[in-house]
Amino acid sequence: DGGITQSPKYLFRKEGQNVTLSCEQNLNHDAMYWYRQDPGQGLRLIYYSQIVNDFQKGDIAEGYSVSREKKESFPLTVTSAQKNPTAFYLCASSDPGRRGSASTDTQYFGPGTRLTVL
Amino acid sequence: QKEVEQDPGPLSVPEGAIVSLNCTYSNSAFQYFMWYRQYSRKGPELLMYTYSSGNKEDGRFTAQVDKSSKYISLFIRDSQPSDSATYLCATTGDFKTIFGAGTRLFVKA
Repeated sequence: DGGITQSPKYLFRKEGQNVTLSCEQNLNHDAMYWYRQDPGQGLRLIYYSQIVNDFQKGDIAEGYSVSREKKESFPLTVTSAQKNPTAFYLCASSDPGRRGSASTDTQYFGPGTRLTVL
Repeated sequence: QKEVEQDPGPLSVPEGAIVSLNCTYSNSAFQYFMWYRQYSRKGPELLMYTYSSGNKEDGRFTAQVDKSSKYISLFIRDSQPSDSATYLCATTGDFKTIFGAGTRLFVKA
């Protein structure tokens, strides 16, 4: 049963703490993404990774960090430097290597993690 | 100007109505177009995708792309209360995917 899992579903953080959100996929996709979703603002790209051991900043990377040590895993750390971290965080994956297929670059999402800063 | 514009709604319709959801985009290089459905507090799920101009039908859903006007649409026939969700359009090209802000749809029984 292939898919993307995110944990935890809900996360509470005290100000000044770093927290790490987990994202795992068994779709054998090369690319993985982290988005932040705030009400009325749609999806904003935080970081993305096209292959293992490589990742790039998205539009709102400040205060976040990632790693990509394994193809299946792309954890996101929300650091204390992120000034307004309360949001819904979504992880996605895609298989951009299959150009020419109908599913090129189509992203598949996990269920999300809702982070609240207390 | 945002690369993808989408009216956030909310859009409220009676059960059985035909729903039209729309987006415009600015980059003529984009060729793949997707619609995602997102229920409250859930991740978006891929609903439909199309390549370039034309129509694609899947059950009660029809995705339409007009590249000449940079306009994409999703039509829902015989709408059901279970269709109540936020619908996000997206377009992709050159390893870059841009999402619309999403339109909230309410289908009243």
